[in-house]
Amino acid sequence: GQQVMQIPQYQHVQEGEDFTTYCNSSTTLSNIQWYKQRPGGHPVFLIQLVKSGEVKKQKRLTFQFGEAKKNSSLHITATQTTDVGTYFCAGLETSGSRLTFGEGTQLTVNP
Amino acid sequence: EAGVAQSPRYKIIEKRQSVAFWCNPISGHATLYWYQQILGQGPKLLIQFQNNGVVDDSQLPKDRFSAERLKGVDSTLKIQPAKLEDSAVYLCASSLYRGSYEQYFGPGTRLTVT
Repeated sequence: GQQVMQIPQYQHVQEGEDFTTYCNSSTTLSNIQWYKQRPGGHPVFLIQLVKSGEVKKQKRLTFQFGEAKKNSSLHITATQTTDVGTYFCAGLETSGSRLTFGEGTQLTVNP
Repeated sequence: EAGVAQSPRYKIIEKRQSVAFWCNPISGHATLYWYQQILGQGPKLLIQFQNNGVVDDSQLPKDRFSAERLKGVDSTLKIQPAKLEDSAVYLCASSLYRGSYEQYFGPGTRLTVT
C-alpha cells in the first residue's frame, strides 16, 4: 500500500531560525495536504497542493510540491514560539480517496 | 459554524471490555472519517463514509471494530473486545466531499486500555 514518510522526526530550533520538513511518498500523488497539530490538540488543515512543481506561501510558511508529485516540503522562515507543534503531510492517492498521513515532524522552538 | 463534535473526550477501560465513540460532523459535510492516532504517529484511517455508505474500511480490524453512520449524519465507532494495543486517540473528521477536500478534525477521544 501507499507509504508516506517524513523527515526529520524531531527538530529543535532557536526562535528566529528556519525550519524545514520533508515528505516523500512511495507512489505518485493526486495532491498533498499539510496539517498542524499543537500539543494536546487535533490536526488542523494548513494547505493543499495539487499541481506538479507548485509553490504556495502563507506568511512565513512556504510549501512545495515536487515535479514528480511524489515529494513535498514545508519551510518556515524565522520560527516563532507559536510555530510549536507537529507538522503532518498527507498524500491523496491518484487511484482513490484515502488520505495517508506521514509520521509527522515535531517542532520545538526555544525562546 | 460549529466544528466536529466527539464524545467522550477520555475513556479508560480494561482489556476485553467494549467501548463506543460518537461523532457529529460539521453540518452539510457528506464525508466522515474515523482515524486512529497512536502516540507519536500520524493519524491512520480506519473507515470512511460517504453519506451513510462505506467508501473505505480496508484498514478497519473488522473482527473487533465496527462503525456506522445512521442517516448520513452522526456516526459511532465501537470496539469489542478491546485490546491493550487499541490505546490511542480516536479522531473523527469530516469534509464536504471525499477526495481533494480539506478535512476538519474533532478534538478526539483518548482511549486507555488497561
